Amino acid sequence: SAVISQKPSRDICQRGTSLTIQCQVDSQVTMMFWYRQQPGQSLTLIATANQGSEATYESGFVIDKFPISRPNLTFSTLTVSNMSPEDSSIYLCSAGTGYEQYFGPGTRLTVT
Amino acid sequence: AQKITQTQPGMFVQEKEAVTLDCTYDTSDQSYGLFWYKQPSSGEMIFLIYQGSYDEQNATEGRYSLNFQKARKSANLVISASQLGDSAMYFCAMTDYNFNKFYFGSGTKLNVKP
Repeated sequence: SAVISQKPSRDICQRGTSLTIQCQVDSQVTMMFWYRQQPGQSLTLIATANQGSEATYESGFVIDKFPISRPNLTFSTLTVSNMSPEDSSIYLCSAGTGYEQYFGPGTRLTVT
Repeated sequence: AQKITQTQPGMFVQEKEAVTLDCTYDTSDQSYGLFWYKQPSSGEMIFLIYQGSYDEQNATEGRYSLNFQKARKSANLVISASQLGDSAMYFCAMTDYNFNKFYFGSGTKLNVKP
């Protein structure tokens, strides 16, 4: 199984600022995804991070607000831009190949 | 569009008993995959089991088995011999044939009583 790490594990940010979350996988993977999870809620897919090309965003999520990079097969970043309190959530990275899909520990973001 | 439904927001089970968590799905795809994940209070998502739509046998992983009924579009998770450590949130998820997208259900919170 792949081991996925995320940085930071948590952060408290002021509204109007931006935060970049890093996702590192210990092996090369085909797919990398970014999710948002509100407390007590299910996971919502933000986007698929495509290696070497622009991310594919789900309805309701836009590149200006959530720019994503994926420079290689083991690393991706998600930036939450111009944050507001509504962006307070847990952000999860997942990665894998085929049916083997694993999750990082998540980044708990609080926007004040 | 794909949709995953988990109708049990919360369930209780006695330790050492078996429990079934329900999951139904809706898709027009012929090829797809179904997953179950466990999320303890610590927050990490733990992969439990996977079933492909063309797999003829139900998937099993230790105490976990997936009761796959394709005609009914259901993919229930069966946990045998429940343990206190099984208390967690459980999510059913579905992917398309290319593993390009994942759709998650609303989750079922399982409490195992001693």
